This record gives sequence, C-alpha cells and structure tokens, in this order.
Amino acid sequence: NAGVTQTPKFQVLKTGQSMTLQCAQDMNHEYMSWYRQDPGMGLRLIHYSVGAGITDQGEVPNGYNVSRSTTEDFPLRLLSAAPSQTSVYFCASSYAGERETQYFGPGTRLLVL
Amino acid sequence: EDQVTQSPEALRLQEGESSSLNCSYTVSGLRGLFWYRQDPGKGPEFLFTLYSAGEEKEKERLKATLTKKESFLHITAPKPEDSATYLCAVRKSNYQLIWGAGTKLIIKP
Repeated sequence: NAGVTQTPKFQVLKTGQSMTLQCAQDMNHEYMSWYRQDPGMGLRLIHYSVGAGITDQGEVPNGYNVSRSTTEDFPLRLLSAAPSQTSVYFCASSYAGERETQYFGPGTRLLVL
Repeated sequence: EDQVTQSPEALRLQEGESSSLNCSYTVSGLRGLFWYRQDPGKGPEFLFTLYSAGEEKEKERLKATLTKKESFLHITAPKPEDSATYLCAVRKSNYQLIWGAGTKLIIKP
C-alpha cells in the first residue's frame, strides 16, 4: 500500500493564482481531511469528508474548496492564492469510526508571493 | 475557549537522559487525547490514544499518561532516533480535533 500520497511536494504561486493540491489514499478510508501547519501553531482543519460526495468545513475553510467524487481522492483547491496561505498542507485519512488514528501524507509546502 | 498547550517548545537531552513532555488542555466534552510523532519534512504519525484519567499507554521507550487537565509523554533512556516533534491533540464531543503546537525533542548522542 502506498498509504496517503500528496502532490506536489513544493509549489510557488503568485498572489491571485489558483491551484489544486492532490491527495489520494489506497486504504479504502471513509474519512479524509486537509490541515494546514504553520510555525508555532497546531494543525488546523480546513475541510473534511466522511465519504464520497460528502464534504464539510473545518476551522479555517475560507479561500479553499474541496470535492470528493471517489473514496480515494480528495483534492484541495486554492481559489485565489494569498500570502496568508503560505503554509505546509497535510492530507489525512482514517476509517470513519477511528478518526484519531489518522494516516497523514508527506505534505505540500506552499509559498505564495 | 478550547485550547491545547504543549510544553516545553523544545527540549534537548543527552542520550539516556529520561524526561517528560507536557500537554495541558481546556476543552469541553473531551472524547480522547492523542499523541503523534512528526519527523522533519514528514506528516505526523500516530502513537497513542488515551480516553480517561488514570489511563496509561506504552510503546518502546515512550509512556503516555492522562489526568483530568493534562497528559504527559514520558521518554525513558532516549536514543537519537527518538528525536522528533511530538504533537498532542484533543478530540471534542463533535469529533473535532484541537492540536497543540508540539514539542521539538532533540536527543544528542
């Protein structure tokens, strides 16, 4: 099993550009989520999904969109990048009944100029 | 306000020098406390789940304990490979996780 994969590993954007961060898992997990990690702060939940076709907002959803068309994939879209979105983004997945035992991807480091 | 605070921010130890990391929380409707390990450039990796005061979990040189207001991650006779950032998270009754900022642990040989 590849586990949770994320692409790209690193990305530089200009303010106002849009892009999609990819996340895929091959463990047949129902629950998937996106976090951002900033220095000196805990992980913050952006969006999550409890299954294909179902998504919901987390703590910091503004400026981001998600969709879940399949169990495996959960892309995160930045609509119009801002410097405040410079961060490391992690995708995680788990079985619906075991959300604490989340499996994280390796992360995408995003720099917005 | 729901909050999870980890201390110290960083801890440097000599190999074999035992110590503890702290995770204190003020969260209503606690539904579990979790410890994760994060290596540089990687995603967090699950270590332990604790659900009730008095509960303890062990894994190799690590032991996690829980009280009504805080959790400790005890590391006994650490080795350089234990160097990492240790994250604590608390689950609320709505399943939302509140994460601490982490403790960076450095074990010098």
